Amino acid sequence: AQSVTQLDSQVPVFEEAPVELRCNYSSSVSVYLFWYVQYPNQGLQLLLKYLSGSTLVKGINGFEAEFNKSQTSFHLRKPSVHISDTAEYFCAVSYEGAQKLVFGQGTRLTINP
Amino acid sequence: KAGVTQTPRYLIKTRGQQVTLSCSPISGHRSVSWYQQTPGQGLQFLFEYFSETQRNKGNFPGRFSGRQFSNSRSEMNVSTLELGDSALYLCASSVRTGMIHEQYFGPGTRLTVT
Repeated sequence: AQSVTQLDSQVPVFEEAPVELRCNYSSSVSVYLFWYVQYPNQGLQLLLKYLSGSTLVKGINGFEAEFNKSQTSFHLRKPSVHISDTAEYFCAVSYEGAQKLVFGQGTRLTINP
Repeated sequence: KAGVTQTPRYLIKTRGQQVTLSCSPISGHRSVSWYQQTPGQGLQFLFEYFSETQRNKGNFPGRFSGRQFSNSRSEMNVSTLELGDSALYLCASSVRTGMIHEQYFGPGTRLTVT
């Protein structure tokens, strides 16, 4: 069964500092990986996705993620965070042909001034 | 294009009642999925509909059901509500782009069961 583990439930950082949100997945078949962001009282917005090809994926709002097949990881990074990045971030996986997304438990990113 | 809309946005029900939530997908999207979000269990897949047919179902009791209409709008119903059904219910419409179905989420319906 597919599963996704987000290693940190909360990550506090100072404004303009770099951040990494960690995600590991398990699967026996090819997977497609996603990061979503959820702002308070809103739905999920897609930040970026990995389907194939280059292992470094760039998304919106300055975020990027690196797919590492040997470590089954898909960590999200941003070199300099802003107050507006305060939100909950979800890593998700799906497999080819399937609609269903399997989500991690989420990481709450808090930016301190 | 308008995004995914969900109605109502907030709902308060009493244990034992039933509830129906509605989702209107993005124009042209024929696939709709539903997810339940709770603090304890996180985001869990409920079911997926395509062209009025349920294609996939998550591990939820039979009290949770859904349907899709010919215009792709979808509804989900929860009967005999329990306190544990309090959650944010998210709908996502999708279109196949290459290898995947890219999903677009609505703002959710927050259901509180008292």
